[in-house]
Amino acid sequence: AQSVAQPEDQVNVAEGNPLTVKCTYSVSGNPYLFWYVQYPNRGLQFLLKYITGDNLVKGSYGFEAEFNKSQTSFHLKKPSALVSDSALYFCAVRDPPNAGNNRKLIWGLGTSLAVNP
Amino acid sequence: DAGITQSPRHKVTETGTPVTLRCHQTENHRYMYWYRQDPGHGLRLIHYSYGVKDTDKGEVSDGYSVSRSKTEDFLLTLESATSSQTSVYFCASKQDPNTEAFFGQGTRLTVV
Repeated sequence: AQSVAQPEDQVNVAEGNPLTVKCTYSVSGNPYLFWYVQYPNRGLQFLLKYITGDNLVKGSYGFEAEFNKSQTSFHLKKPSALVSDSALYFCAVRDPPNAGNNRKLIWGLGTSLAVNP
Repeated sequence: DAGITQSPRHKVTETGTPVTLRCHQTENHRYMYWYRQDPGHGLRLIHYSYGVKDTDKGEVSDGYSVSRSKTEDFLLTLESATSSQTSVYFCASKQDPNTEAFFGQGTRLTVV
């Protein structure tokens, strides 16, 4: 069965330090992977996605993520954290085309990122 | 941001009453989704639609129904609201499975 895990409920990092938010997945075939961010009292916003190609994907607001097939991971990273990056981050995965039900995303439970000044 | 709006943004209702939440998108997206967000559960899919009058159940569909009579509108109905349906509800839309989803700002529903 498809699944996504975000092993950390909360991540704390000092402003200016690099940050990593972890995501691991279990799907059949080659997954399509997504990261979204949710600021307080707002809907989710798309950050970046991996479908195919270069394992390092760059997205919005200076974020990037690295797809690692052998470790089935898709960790979100940023070289230098900002206080304004404090938010809830969600990883999501879906099956590739022609592999089961690819209309739905499977979501992680979210990781709360706190960037301290 | 994509044009996707939810109404109402906040609602308090009594147990046993029907409630309808509306999602409206102006992007001509084919796919639309209703999620609920609860602490400790992340996002859970209630129902989704892959075209006008084409809908399917998600993982937590009991007690909910949906309708999609036009591309731009996706309605979620709680047939008889219960306290367990107190939650924040999010609508999302996307053009196809490969693209990113755009989310509405959410509806905070309280059932008393």
